[in-house]
Amino acid sequence: AQKITQTQPGMFVQEKEAVTLDCTYDTSDPSYGLFWYKQPSSGEMIFLIYQGSYDQQNATEGRYSLNFQKARKSANLVISASQLGDSAMYFCAAYQGGKLIFGQGTELSVKP
Amino acid sequence: EAGVAQSPRYKIIEKRQSVAFWCNPISGHATLYWYQQILGQGPKLLIQFQNNGVVDDSQLPKDRFSAERLKGVDSTLKIQPAKLEDSAVYLCASSVKTQETQYFGPGTRLLVL
Repeated sequence: AQKITQTQPGMFVQEKEAVTLDCTYDTSDPSYGLFWYKQPSSGEMIFLIYQGSYDQQNATEGRYSLNFQKARKSANLVISASQLGDSAMYFCAAYQGGKLIFGQGTELSVKP
Repeated sequence: EAGVAQSPRYKIIEKRQSVAFWCNPISGHATLYWYQQILGQGPKLLIQFQNNGVVDDSQLPKDRFSAERLKGVDSTLKIQPAKLEDSAVYLCASSVKTQETQYFGPGTRLLVL
């Protein structure tokens, strides 16, 4: 069964610096996709970025990029030039049996 | 394009009372999901609809929770009677079809006293 692991409960980063949030997954499916969501304190889950297992290149969306290492089953989110508004919970997720399975999340705090 | 709408945003009730949440998905999205998110955890799927049919309700506590999507557009999730452990954020999401990117609404924060 799909399992999503986020080993960093909390992270701090200085404003304007880059930060990497870790995510590992465990699936036997030959084809799969990985998602990252941001959840600010307001509660809404905001879709950030998607990586397909057969995509040739790492996904990028503005300041967000995915460091996808298929052999290691990791899909780490990289946020460049951190902003105060990036402070939030970040969840990695993937489909398993039609259900979107989420990791436990990482709380990111951006310091001025 | 309008996002997923949910109401109410906040609700406080006493245990054994009933409560209902409403969700209107993004226009044209066939698949609708209800999640429960306990504080400090990732969301957990309660029920998934494809148009007006239930695809997966295996994790829905059917003795107290019910949901419907009668016309294949908006949906209602009901809890009756509520328990203390139902205190959580209830998130609604939609996608064009199954196994595609899900877009979430703002959620309803429920507190059961």
